[in-house]
Amino acid sequence: DAGVIQSPRHEVTEMGQEVTLRCKPISGHDYLFWYRQTMMRGLELLIYFNNNVPIDDSGMPEDRFSAKMPNASFSTLKIQPSEPRDSAVYFCASGDRINTEAFFGQGTRLTVV
Amino acid sequence: RKEVEQDPGPFNVPEGATVAFNCTYSNSASQSFFWYRQDCRKEPKLLMSVYSSGNEDGRFTAQLNRASQYISLLIRDSKLSDSATYLCVVSPWGGATNKLIFGTGTLLAVQP
Repeated sequence: DAGVIQSPRHEVTEMGQEVTLRCKPISGHDYLFWYRQTMMRGLELLIYFNNNVPIDDSGMPEDRFSAKMPNASFSTLKIQPSEPRDSAVYFCASGDRINTEAFFGQGTRLTVV
Repeated sequence: RKEVEQDPGPFNVPEGATVAFNCTYSNSASQSFFWYRQDCRKEPKLLMSVYSSGNEDGRFTAQLNRASQYISLLIRDSKLSDSATYLCVVSPWGGATNKLIFGTGTLLAVQP
């Protein structure tokens, strides 16, 4: 398996633009997580899904952020409109009930100017 | 107060040294505990789970003290390749397939 795949790896956008981050979890994993990492706040859980259903979105910072998981092999995190304070590395991770490890993708480094 | 607190470091140690990292968590109902490792500009990866009885994996030893809500990681005979950020992770429920709460990490730099 190729692991968790995220795209794009890097994104630079202007303030006010819509940004869409994509994630393909490991096949067979039924949990999917979106995290954001900054120097000041570390890794923060934004939202997670179980069997494509959002379970906890309490970490989503505000209404500008939305996440979807239309099927077991794809999820998106959208920011609209983007702001400079959204600049961070966004990680997607997946897991299952058997393993104790959450497997992370390589992340998307977002810069909003 | 943060849910998981760690000393950010950096810890600068010579090769072969023993180094210990500590972590405290605020939710006494937490069930699962882990140490993840993150290399510079890479994704976090599981280093080891932490069990109540303590556990060892080669040069790495993890301890959990539920009464004090304290987790530790000991690295013996440190190698240059151990240089990374070590993340303390807590979960309110069993297993890693639920909400993982990360500390901000402790940076280790092993010097030749």
